Amino acid sequence: DAKTTQPPSMDCAEGRAANLPCNHSTISGNEYVYWYRQIHSQGPQYIIHGLKNNETNEMASLIITEDRKSSTLILPHATLRDTAVYYCIVMGYGQNFVFGPGTRLSVLP
Amino acid sequence: GAVVSQHPSRVICKSGTSVKIECRSLDFQATTMFWYRQFPKQSLMLMATSNEGSKATYEQGVEKDKFLINHASLTLSTLTVTSAHPEDSSFYICSARGREETQYFGPGTRLLVL
Repeated sequence: DAKTTQPPSMDCAEGRAANLPCNHSTISGNEYVYWYRQIHSQGPQYIIHGLKNNETNEMASLIITEDRKSSTLILPHATLRDTAVYYCIVMGYGQNFVFGPGTRLSVLP
Repeated sequence: GAVVSQHPSRVICKSGTSVKIECRSLDFQATTMFWYRQFPKQSLMLMATSNEGSKATYEQGVEKDKFLINHASLTLSTLTVTSAHPEDSSFYICSARGREETQYFGPGTRLLVL
């Protein structure tokens, strides 16, 4: 079973920030939080990952709470092309990814 | 990010035939490759894990004699669906992992068995 819980769907207005939450209350100290997204009929695309500290790259920002039991993926200026299913995955060294159902983000014009 | 390719992108075959899908890491050496299957409106399910030069490890419920995996080099893994049946029709996705734990996914192969 997936170690994370995400809302099944979210809407976001184009140009606004999309904030996607993820709960991982049973995360272990050596487990990372990974985010991927899957656009229809394509393979998942890596977005970002982190352990404790907040992370930012050209695609998104990842905010991890101090107790590491939850995190938020932020797409600062959502576009129509960001419409996808977003997966939050918790994984430690040597473990395999377990995909949950993810959050279906719809960016609306 | 790293690039992983799959070939073919889609294939239609007759029931009882075998189909081979290739997965290549184009700009890094993949010590481990993974094969997933995704049915419509469902999430990805891991089928097997393969390390270069060794036998693949299959997840529970995945028939190793039906889904043959070969990981002959650090940049190539193949999945052969033997004696395919209509229930094997699915979206097959590979991923590759190098020194880091991050997996990079291929674009997927859509298999339709008639």
